[in-house]
Amino acid sequence: GAGVSQSPSNKVTEKGKDVELRCDPISGHTALYWYRQSLGQGLEFLIYFQGNSAPDKSGLPSDRFSAERTGGSVSTLTIQRTQQEDSAVYLCASSFGTYNEQFFGPGTRLTVL
Amino acid sequence: DQQVKQNSPSLSVQEGRISILNCDYTNSMFDYFLWYKKYPAEGPTFLISISSIKDKNEDGRFTVFLNKSAKHLSLHIVPSQPGDSAVYFCAASPNFGNEKLTFGTGTRLTIIP
Repeated sequence: GAGVSQSPSNKVTEKGKDVELRCDPISGHTALYWYRQSLGQGLEFLIYFQGNSAPDKSGLPSDRFSAERTGGSVSTLTIQRTQQEDSAVYLCASSFGTYNEQFFGPGTRLTVL
Repeated sequence: DQQVKQNSPSLSVQEGRISILNCDYTNSMFDYFLWYKKYPAEGPTFLISISSIKDKNEDGRFTVFLNKSAKHLSLHIVPSQPGDSAVYFCAASPNFGNEKLTFGTGTRLTIIP
């Protein structure tokens, strides 16, 4: 079966522009997570969706970041008015429920010039 | 502040020998710990985990040791194989859950044939 997919794999944008990053989780997985890895840093939790519950947004670094998950499946992470410090690899993961292994996608490398 | 620390950014080990990767944490609320392995251009993949009620968990060539009093865990790989060359991330979460993982910065392991 297909794993977690993310698109685009690479995105280069200019400072101030908005970007949308997409995640397709494994079919049937109820939980979906977004992380980012900045240069020299560990993976940083951003946001977590579980079923129909309200998402846990506690990791979002600013109000320029938002995410939605449509129909309990595909998720989009939106960064408005991008800044150079937003440059990172953005990783999506999904799991079958909260207490199960997270499967990661390959990530989207975002470069803000 | 980095709550999960991997102080060795890289490690080289001869094929057939033991690889020992270390991880320290500061948050006493963490009670579930995981190791992930990451190849270039791929997302991290789950390797092995341990909960705080144990001090050792073994899976084939991989063993994770937990020292709660020292807030330290380690991953042992024996014997090391060339395919083990990857970046290894230590991760932790509270409440025996698998959500909102806090990751270390990773250790790049190179197995020398």
